[in-house]
Amino acid sequence: DVKVTQSSRYLVKRTGEKVFLECVQDMDHENMFWYRQDPGLGLRLIYFSYDVKMKEKGDIPEGYSVSREKKERFSLILESASTNQTSMYLCASSSGGSNYEQYFGPGTRLTVT
Amino acid sequence: AQSVTQLDSQVPVFEEAPVELRCNYSSSVSVYLFWYVQYPNQGLQLLLKYLSGSTLVESINGFEAEFNKSQTSFHLRKPSVHISDTAEYFCAVSPMNTGFQKLVFGTGTRLLVSP
Repeated sequence: DVKVTQSSRYLVKRTGEKVFLECVQDMDHENMFWYRQDPGLGLRLIYFSYDVKMKEKGDIPEGYSVSREKKERFSLILESASTNQTSMYLCASSSGGSNYEQYFGPGTRLTVT
Repeated sequence: AQSVTQLDSQVPVFEEAPVELRCNYSSSVSVYLFWYVQYPNQGLQLLLKYLSGSTLVESINGFEAEFNKSQTSFHLRKPSVHISDTAEYFCAVSPMNTGFQKLVFGTGTRLLVSP
């Protein structure tokens, strides 16, 4: 079974803190994605990566950065957390090629106070 | 650019009744289509997908969806729902002209099945 794990299920941070969200996949997938999920807005793509050290901006990259130093690990960084970044963050991975299925982690619910 | 519209934010239904969850999309290029399901306190998982071939696709738990190119729709149906189908359902599209496999999601429809 494909497994995508995220470092925390729940996280509470203060405004201005630097926040790291970690995601690890165990299926040697090429592509990895970070989304945020908000009620009434669905999932919105923040950043994605199609190879080690490669990254592309998604639809809402402002206030976020990412790092992919190893194939299995994709980190989302909030340089200076703000209250409007309170959300559910979902990581996903996919193998590329003709499959097109993305496998999702359980999510991290981040609260910024 | 692509967009996905799920007009119904919530659909209440009784157990064993039929249900249809609507999905319409807009895109200047051809797309692949997906339905994902999110059970309470879990991540998303793929329910079914249309990549090519027959426009009617089925899942292992009795859901089906039909791709209608002229109406740019990909509605999800089930003839008889169970309590365990209570979840949030997301329609998504991915443009065919990119190898990055980006997904654009709709806002989701919460299916509430009651006894």
